[in-house]
Amino acid sequence: DAGVTQSPTHLIKTRGQQVTLRCSPKSGHDTVSWYQQALGQGPQFIFQYYEEEERQRGNFPDRFSGHQFPNYSSELNVNALLLGDSALYLCASSSRQGANTGELFFGEGSRLTVL
Amino acid sequence: QKEVEQDPGPLSVPEGAIVSLNCTYSNSAFQYFMWYRQYSRKGPELLMYTYSSGNKEDGRFTAQVDKSSKYISLFIRDSQPSDSATYLCAMSLLQGAQKLVFGQGTRLTINP
Repeated sequence: DAGVTQSPTHLIKTRGQQVTLRCSPKSGHDTVSWYQQALGQGPQFIFQYYEEEERQRGNFPDRFSGHQFPNYSSELNVNALLLGDSALYLCASSSRQGANTGELFFGEGSRLTVL
Repeated sequence: QKEVEQDPGPLSVPEGAIVSLNCTYSNSAFQYFMWYRQYSRKGPELLMYTYSSGNKEDGRFTAQVDKSSKYISLFIRDSQPSDSATYLCAMSLLQGAQKLVFGQGTRLTINP
């Protein structure tokens, strides 16, 4: 049973560029959220997708956008990259049915470096 | 002031020691409390999930919640080198919420 998978694992971009990160949730999961984890910090919630709609959003600018597809996979897009966007981007998934356990399953992340 | 405060460490202890990790929080609306373990270059994995004030035990791990003091703890007994990781506390307002608020994480090293 595959867990949460993310791609790419590492990437380097320059300021002003745009990036797309991808996530496939754990089998049986229908809800996906994205987190940003700066070096030495805890993850920060970016947004959550369920039924192909953004349901909740953290304190991130509109440069951060996302999408969820009918197969529950998701993309995170960041436009006009800034140096401060360098971080590990984590995707997490859960099932509405399993919501009572409170468990989010995290992927291993995509490490973005902005030069 | 951050909503969740956690001493970043690093914390280094000998194998077999009892480890105590702590977080304080400012938002009394938090109802659900979690501890995650994150190994280097990996995503966080859930260790403990608690709701009410009091203790919850799972093997060598005990999670403690004191809502009146807005303080949570994780105790690790008989610590092993394989416990070396970053430990993140997290909390949420709603059951099953995907929006978690994390602490900074404490880097723990268990020395053989």
